[in-house]
Amino acid sequence: DTAVSQTPKYLVTQMGNDKSIKCEQNLGHDTMYWYKQDSKKFLKIMFSYNNKELIINETVPNRFSPKSPDKAHLNLHINSLELGDSAVYFCASSQDPYEQFFGPGTRLTVL
Amino acid sequence: LAKTTQPISMDSYEGQEVNITCSHNNIATNDYITWYQQFPSQGPRFIIQGYKTKVTNEVASLFIPADRKSSTLSLPRVSLSDTAVYYCLVAEGNYGQNFVFGPGTRLSVLP
Repeated sequence: DTAVSQTPKYLVTQMGNDKSIKCEQNLGHDTMYWYKQDSKKFLKIMFSYNNKELIINETVPNRFSPKSPDKAHLNLHINSLELGDSAVYFCASSQDPYEQFFGPGTRLTVL
Repeated sequence: LAKTTQPISMDSYEGQEVNITCSHNNIATNDYITWYQQFPSQGPRFIIQGYKTKVTNEVASLFIPADRKSSTLSLPRVSLSDTAVYYCLVAEGNYGQNFVFGPGTRLSVLP
C-alpha cells in the first residue's frame, strides 16, 4: 500500500502551459506539503496545508497554487510554466511536523 | 532559521560504523534536530529525531551534546544499501514550514 502517491511521475511540457500534479496520502495525516528539488539537489518547501490553513513560502511565485479537495489530497497547479520550473516536485504528509512521509516525486521538464 | 553545516561527502566500507556530524551553532531553544535519508529518484525518508542527549531507534543513533550546537548521526555496520544522501535539519515545529534541507552528506558505501 502506497502511503503517499503522486501522479504523474514524469511531466514534460512547453513553456507557457498550465499543468497539475496530484498527491494523495492514505495515512490519515492532517498536514500535507509540497517541496521542490532543483538540479543542485536542494530541497525547498513550497507550501504546507493543515486544516484548511495554507502556509506559503514567500519565495514561491503566485503561478503555483495548491488545492486540497479533501484532507487526503493536495494537488499542485502551475500556471504559465517557465524553464526555471523544471525540477522534481515532492509531496509529503505528516502528523508530527518533524516526521514527514514523502511521495516518490514528479519530474517536471519544461521545454 | 538555524543554519546547518555537514560534510559534502563521505566514503565508508561495508560493515563499518559511520558517523556524520552536523553543526548548528545558532540552534534555538525550541528547535529539534531531525535527520532524513534520500536515495536516488526517491523522496527523503525520516531516520531519527532528537532534542538533546542520545536517541536510538532500529536504524540509527543520534548523539546531541549538552550545548546542542552539533549532532552526530551514527549508522551501525553500514551496507551497500545505505549509500544515499543524509540531511540534517534543525527546525521548530509548526507543521514543518521551517524545514530547510541543505545539500546534505552523500555517503558512499564501498564493498
